[in-house]
Amino acid sequence: QVQLVQSGAEVRKPGASVKVSCRASGYSFTNYDINWVRQAPGQGLEWMGWMNPNSGNTGYAQKFQGRVTITRDTSISTAYMELSSLRSDDTAVYYCARRFAVPGTLPDYWGQGTLVTVSS
Amino acid sequence: DIVMTQAPDSLAVSLGERATINCKSSQSVLYSSNNKNHLAWYQQKPGQPPKLLIYWASTRESGVPDRFSGSGSGTDFTLTISSLQAEDVAVYYCQQYCTTQWTFGQGTKVEIK
Repeated sequence: QVQLVQSGAEVRKPGASVKVSCRASGYSFTNYDINWVRQAPGQGLEWMGWMNPNSGNTGYAQKFQGRVTITRDTSISTAYMELSSLRSDDTAVYYCARRFAVPGTLPDYWGQGTLVTVSS
Repeated sequence: DIVMTQAPDSLAVSLGERATINCKSSQSVLYSSNNKNHLAWYQQKPGQPPKLLIYWASTRESGVPDRFSGSGSGTDFTLTISSLQAEDVAVYYCQQYCTTQWTFGQGTKVEIK
């Protein structure tokens, strides 16, 4: 069965970086884009960016340009989202989600979420 | 970026009654190349990731009960729950995917009156 399993909760100090992983199983990793969406405590959903695991092509929300990097390791069917220069308002649950790699499609499977806490 | 605005922020509806959520986009999400509205609705329950309910503004995702329906075009959209059930208590989000920069509405919390 399709699964996206994310790495565990992280705590970072302001100014540091965090790298969250998303391991895919049960499907062909390179046939589906991976998107990253975050949700601050009690707040709404915020799309951060996407990556095509086959080509490595990426796209990022303008808000996160220069601070977020999405990469992958196809040998272990894992995508990564790294966010740098962390601030307290980056405290959120970060989700990965797969989307069939065709324009106009939407996420059908999501990871369980990874809580990143930024605190001094 | 396209800004998505939902109304109301929250609503309380009696079991079996209708719930209506509105979503307005700052520009049209009707994509000319396929004449489809790139507007989706999600349901999110506490501690869970979002679940896709509706895409192309009015197409129900497989397995979604038919009490959920979507309508609208261009910049104005509506999600309707025709007969609210206890399991429908959740936060609902609209999302545009007309551009490569996806954006979500702020969410509408649906509760039982």
